[in-house]
Amino acid sequence: GAGVSQSPRYKVTKRGQDVALRCDPISGHVSLYWYRQALGQGPEFLTYFNYEAQQDKSGLPNDRFSAERPEGSISTLTIQRTEQRDSAMYRCASSALPGLAGTDTQYFGPGTRLTVL
Amino acid sequence: AQSVAQPEDQVNVAEGNPLTVKCTYSVSGNPYLFWYVQYPNRGLQFLLKYITGDNLVKGSYGFEAEFNKSQTSFHLKKPSALVSDSALYFCAVRDEEGSNTGKLIFGQGTTLQVKP
Repeated sequence: GAGVSQSPRYKVTKRGQDVALRCDPISGHVSLYWYRQALGQGPEFLTYFNYEAQQDKSGLPNDRFSAERPEGSISTLTIQRTEQRDSAMYRCASSALPGLAGTDTQYFGPGTRLTVL
Repeated sequence: AQSVAQPEDQVNVAEGNPLTVKCTYSVSGNPYLFWYVQYPNRGLQFLLKYITGDNLVKGSYGFEAEFNKSQTSFHLKKPSALVSDSALYFCAVRDEEGSNTGKLIFGQGTTLQVKP
């Protein structure tokens, strides 16, 4: 596609339910990042993939959060047993070069607004 | 630890006037710096980046930023503001800790309000 897409754009769920957020990166982009953005704050790093390999998951807040990218393209961020504090905008970004370069531009999707009641 | 500060929550400027959105950073090594803009209900859009070379970086929509190593700053500028520039602006620095990742550390954002 022309840009990074994310689905759903909005997700409302009840506390205790599991949710899966999807990211479809720009075609051919090697690196994929997940960030979380609370209201009034800048995005905070969650995890990062090169191809299908999860290179860094240091930003995942706890073991209820997991992410995968099994074929090196689409990625899913899963939150189990959601809590109200998980409510935020979840953003995905992709870049063309492996993250080791560090200088490559990350292109962001529109985000998924998660609300946990 | 790497960090980014945007000291102004909001910047107000009249259309046609020059604008500056401030950003300062703290890194242990060479900084890689980025500016993004966020419009309502849309994703973050890349404006420009500094990696190396000329301290004045030109980007999208007429924006530019000046890298100042001695002041550890990377202020975003535009000579003549447009009402359509009104948005939320984020400065970001690449985290060099954990050298095999390109994860970005973002500032808290500055809301730019351009009035006609």
